[in-house]
Amino acid sequence: DIQVTQFPSTLSASVGDRVTITCRASQNLDSWLAWYQQKPGKAPKLLIYKASNLETGIPSRFSGSGSGTDFSLTISSLQPDDFATYYCQQYKTYPCTFGQGTKLDIK
Amino acid sequence: EVQLVESGGGLVKPGGSLRLSCAASGFTFSSAWMIWVRQAPGKGLEWVGRIKTAADGRTTDYAAPVKGRFTISRDDSQNTLYLQMDSLKTEDTAFYYCSTGRYSVIDHWGRGTLVTVSS
Repeated sequence: DIQVTQFPSTLSASVGDRVTITCRASQNLDSWLAWYQQKPGKAPKLLIYKASNLETGIPSRFSGSGSGTDFSLTISSLQPDDFATYYCQQYKTYPCTFGQGTKLDIK
Repeated sequence: EVQLVESGGGLVKPGGSLRLSCAASGFTFSSAWMIWVRQAPGKGLEWVGRIKTAADGRTTDYAAPVKGRFTISRDDSQNTLYLQMDSLKTEDTAFYYCSTGRYSVIDHWGRGTLVTVSS
């Protein structure tokens, strides 16, 4: 199975900051990676698919990049609504796997 | 509007069985790949398994921790997805989410149902 390592596991930042979360895969994913946001008590929400494609309705301050084994999610200017936990997911091969998550909290 | 409503969660003893259901509406269920994802309380997301459409042979794939114990099935006439869970272990305790999307990218999720495996 493909392993996906996500880091950092926690990230403290302030409103207006630019933040980047990274995922590293144990094998080549090409661009088959998605990013999700989850808030406490809620189901996850799709942000990015195929590494860099912004899901409809997601603000443009979110962006994804990378290919192969190294990927990143960047939030260009943090807003209060962005404090949440973020997960990457590889879907190059089955079983699909999620990263361990990055909790983004207020500094 | 897409709606996915899970049911069937509850408390079960180790070694027991449980069947979860997911009632789907608001989209063409028979054309959708369906996925189960779970999340232990306070922990991260874990992909459980997926079933393809009848046209794609209803092919299933499972995560290693549940392979051989869990079975995903679907009833397209009832727009319902199932997760049969046998030989349950304490580590199977989690919220179980029914989900769907564009093949393996999940853009719709249910609210989840809690399964607790404890003696």
